[in-house]
Amino acid sequence: ILNVEQSPQSLHVQEGDSTNFTCSFPSSNFYALHWYRWETAKSPEALFVMTLNGDEKKKGRISATLNTKEGYSYLYIKGSQPEDSATYLCAYYFGNEKLTFGTGTRLTIIP
Amino acid sequence: KAGVTQTPRYLIKTRGQQVTLSCSPISGHRSVSWYQQTPGQGLQFLFEYFSETQRNKGNFPGRFSGRQFSNSRSEMNVSTLELGDSALYLCASSHSSTFYEQYFGPGTRLTVT
Repeated sequence: ILNVEQSPQSLHVQEGDSTNFTCSFPSSNFYALHWYRWETAKSPEALFVMTLNGDEKKKGRISATLNTKEGYSYLYIKGSQPEDSATYLCAYYFGNEKLTFGTGTRLTIIP
Repeated sequence: KAGVTQTPRYLIKTRGQQVTLSCSPISGHRSVSWYQQTPGQGLQFLFEYFSETQRNKGNFPGRFSGRQFSNSRSEMNVSTLELGDSALYLCASSHSSTFYEQYFGPGTRLTVT
């Protein structure tokens, strides 16, 4: 994989359900993988920066895992709430002061 | 601490004109990156500056340029505007490198008619 790919593109989840989505990235020469949340009419906000294979990070009901050997990261949201509705972006740091973003997963929580 | 600020927030220009957008990073941050977002596209990297030096540039035509001042404030310029330049332009700052989490500004929405 030469690019950063996210799946699915969009997701509708019932309030209270848990969900997860995927970011795939090149598995060679790994440096760092970022996750951002972008709510409508706001700026993207950093969730996690992951640097080590096997990393697992958590912020409230949101957590992320990282597998650098196979080139993927999962973002999990437990017990979805309406305020979780946003686009979730991952970004791969290739080195050289450049972040490459995926096209995002748009999450809509249905009350 | 004040966040990243961008001016102007909205801009309407006509084809052929040029435009300058400004970004003030968080105090103490010296790395500033610029991104373009168009419908259906993810954030596309434009360039990154640190201590007044461009360290990397994305795959954009030479009409897109930028600079950074000694106080870390940054500007980007687009000359000879095209309709396809209509986009949201975001800047982001970090302490020293895009390796670290980025703090984004609210963006400048540019419309080219």
